[in-house]
Amino acid sequence: KNEVEQSPQNLTAQEGEFITINCSYSVGISALHWLQQHPGGGIVSLFMLSSGKKKHGRLIATINIQEKHSSLHITASHPRDSAVYICAVRSEEYGNKLVFGAGTILRVKS
Amino acid sequence: DTEVTQTPKHLVMGMTNKKSLKCEQHMGHRAMYWYKQKAKKPPELMFVYSYEKLSINESVPSRFSPECPNSSLLNLHLHALQPEDSALYLCASSLFQTGTPGYTFGSGTRLTVV
Repeated sequence: KNEVEQSPQNLTAQEGEFITINCSYSVGISALHWLQQHPGGGIVSLFMLSSGKKKHGRLIATINIQEKHSSLHITASHPRDSAVYICAVRSEEYGNKLVFGAGTILRVKS
Repeated sequence: DTEVTQTPKHLVMGMTNKKSLKCEQHMGHRAMYWYKQKAKKPPELMFVYSYEKLSINESVPSRFSPECPNSSLLNLHLHALQPEDSALYLCASSLFQTGTPGYTFGSGTRLTVV
């Protein structure tokens, strides 16, 4: 079992749809990161969360520390949102290194 | 400047070659990282430098040799690589090794070993 589980693995949406990607983890963490990677490209850090909720443009990230769960929401999705979205956690139990989920491949069709 | 710059973007090298990857940031970050990413897989940590000293080596083969000449620059020297070392090599930085307030990743070097 991976320490960081993401769902779904693949997601296809129609332009304009509301999208949710989920991330669950199994240990106490100091921070959770949502990252975006376009095909063949580098990684862009979207959010770092340790509690509550953050919003940036059409992206919203939430975290529930008690339930060890985070969600990334994309409102009014657009084809340019097509990318791999990766959840990563940082925990003393992992030597304070980032532990990555397997990623969610998102495709938004026009 | 809020970027991590990696050069070159693409590199093809033979198994007997010696080459270097370069990573640069001017954000005053004191922790810098090398990751290796194979296709359709998450990044794997290779090395961490904190205050220009090697802090973590994730049992990486000696054909990969990191170097941090100053607080802005991180190199990865490559020698006698194998075809299975072909991957995207990502550099990242953070203010401190604690990772707060977040990481900045470079766009990567796509390495092909022939």
